[in-house]
This record gives sequence, C-alpha cells and structure tokens, in this order.
Amino acid sequence: GENVEQHPSTLSVQEGDSAVIKCTYSDSASNYFPWYKQELGKGPQLIIDIRSNVGEKKDQRIAVTLNKTAKHFSLHITETQPEDSAVYFCAAKEDTGRRALTFGSGTRLQVQP
Amino acid sequence: NAGVTQTPKFRVLKTGQSMTLLCAQDMNHEYMYWYRQDPGMGLRLIHYSVGEGTTAKGEVPDGYNVSRLKKQNFLLGLESAAPSQTSVYFCASSKQLAGAEQFFGPGTRLTVL
Repeated sequence: GENVEQHPSTLSVQEGDSAVIKCTYSDSASNYFPWYKQELGKGPQLIIDIRSNVGEKKDQRIAVTLNKTAKHFSLHITETQPEDSAVYFCAAKEDTGRRALTFGSGTRLQVQP
Repeated sequence: NAGVTQTPKFRVLKTGQSMTLLCAQDMNHEYMYWYRQDPGMGLRLIHYSVGEGTTAKGEVPDGYNVSRLKKQNFLLGLESAAPSQTSVYFCASSKQLAGAEQFFGPGTRLTVL
C-alpha cells in the first residue's frame, strides 16, 4: 500500500516569511495529492490539490509542486500570516479504483507575529 | 447545510465498555470515512464506505465495527474499548472516491481509562 512521509513535524516562521512542507510517497501509481489544513479544535479542510499531469499549482499565497520522478511534493506558503498557524497534512492516492487517501503525519506550523 | 456532524463531541469510557459514534452528512455524498488521529501519526483510516449498505477496512480496522444502513449516516462501534483506542475520531464524506475533496466533521475526543 501507499506510505506518505511528511517533514518537518513542526515549523516556526516569522510573519511575512515563507514556509515549505515536504512529503514523499512510495506508490508510483499515486496521482492525486491534496493538502489539508487543520485549525485547533476543528476537522481538516482541503486547501489545495494537485494531479500528476501538473507540476505546479498556485492559489494566491499557497502553491504546491510535484516531482513524480522523485516521488515527492511540497506545499509552499508565502507571506505567512498568524492565521496560517495550523497543522497541515499532505495525502496521496491513486485517482482510480477504490483506494482511499493515505495521509502524512502532519506539520504543525506556527507563525510568530 | 450542516455539512458533516459527529456525536458525541467528548466521551470517557472504562476499559471493556462499548459505545457507538454517529456521523451524519447532509450533502448526499456516496463515500464516508472514519479516521483516528493520534499525536505524531496523522490521520489513519479505520473503515470506509463506498455507498449505502457497504463497508470496507482501512489501515487500522481492528477493534472497530461500522455500519452504513442509511446513505447519510455512518456509525463507528467499539465493542470492548481499550486504552489504545484513546484518540480523536474524525468522520469525513466525499462525493466520489477518485480525486474528490473530503469534508470532515469536528471530531470526537474519546478517552478510555
């Protein structure tokens, strides 16, 4: 089955700096890679996703890059704000068939004002 | 729309007791999932359902049972709770299995003494 590793487990940045979270996956058949944000006391919420036919995707201050050859993908947050403080999860799956998502272990991002 | 709701929000059990966690969604989603979240281990899939009357095992199914008698409800049962089942449980639903956003509930914090 799929195995997703996520680094770092915690990340502290100053407001306005950039933050990068990296994930690797094991199953070369995986082709759908979403990122979820979990605020304190809430369930995770999808913030961006990417499919394997695309190398990069941007949505305002967040972007995701994918390297299928190396089997890794990354989340980039620019101009970080205190409200970006949360736990971020990457995930991967094969986008066909009946397999469910496999999540990474999460990164706790703290943006210092 | 309420989205995905979970009851109860908190529960304390003694070892050996049983309980059922209820998940309800009002988005007419076919797919529903139960995850557990433990520190440093991210979200791990317990069981999922691809439609009314169907269930499938996830990554960590032992000690849990599920039922999907109605499309909008997905129940997670613990027949004989153990301290190792102390966790935060999240229910999620999605419109389809392939490449679709999962919508999460607010979680149930369960402590087994």
